[in-house]
Amino acid sequence: EPEVTQTPSHQVTQMGQEVILRCVPISNHLYFYWYRQILGQKVEFLVSFYNNEISEKSEIFDDQFSVERPDGSNFTLKIRSTKLEDSAMYFCASSSDRAISYEQYFGPGTRLTVT
Amino acid sequence: DQQVKQNSPSLSVQEGRISILNCDYTNSMFDYFLWYKKYPAEGPTFLISISSIKDKNEDGRFTVFLNKSAKHLSLHIVPSQPGDSAVYFCAASVQGGSEKLVFGKGTKLTVNP
Repeated sequence: EPEVTQTPSHQVTQMGQEVILRCVPISNHLYFYWYRQILGQKVEFLVSFYNNEISEKSEIFDDQFSVERPDGSNFTLKIRSTKLEDSAMYFCASSSDRAISYEQYFGPGTRLTVT
Repeated sequence: DQQVKQNSPSLSVQEGRISILNCDYTNSMFDYFLWYKKYPAEGPTFLISISSIKDKNEDGRFTVFLNKSAKHLSLHIVPSQPGDSAVYFCAASVQGGSEKLVFGKGTKLTVNP
């Protein structure tokens, strides 16, 4: 069964450093998302991406964040200068053509720890 | 800003009995609702969804009921199995846009053998 994969599973970085979180969505999916979950809190939306551009971003997704689909398979989230409060689980999700379904399928997550 | 609320942080049921997980929402623009199951250290796994044009959707042991007038949905699991023990998240979206998901805080279900 196709699945979303994410690397690394755990990333430790120092405050102020840049990190890139990587995702490989399901191959025929068209819509891509990043969410995050701070420990003990809700899963919250960061950004959605379709047709090589951002379709919506939350207020969390400020200028320190960027997303890219550098090739036909990868989808990346970059945080330019990490802060302590960026420590969270980051989930990538993808979904299919809207004519088929609206369900989003999630990867296993990357645990980001900023020290 | 709790647009999607799951008021019960935990639920414990006996194996073989029914589990009922509840979810309320405040945004009347939501028209698509989903339930996800999540194990520790894993991503949310899609379970079942329902469009606002329906009031019930069934898939095996899982049934989701939607009451639009009350802005309430529920997930029924019958019969419950120990492997169902996980955190269950309700999520909602507005179709036609980015369809970003707005999640509830989750309910931790424990099914006792």
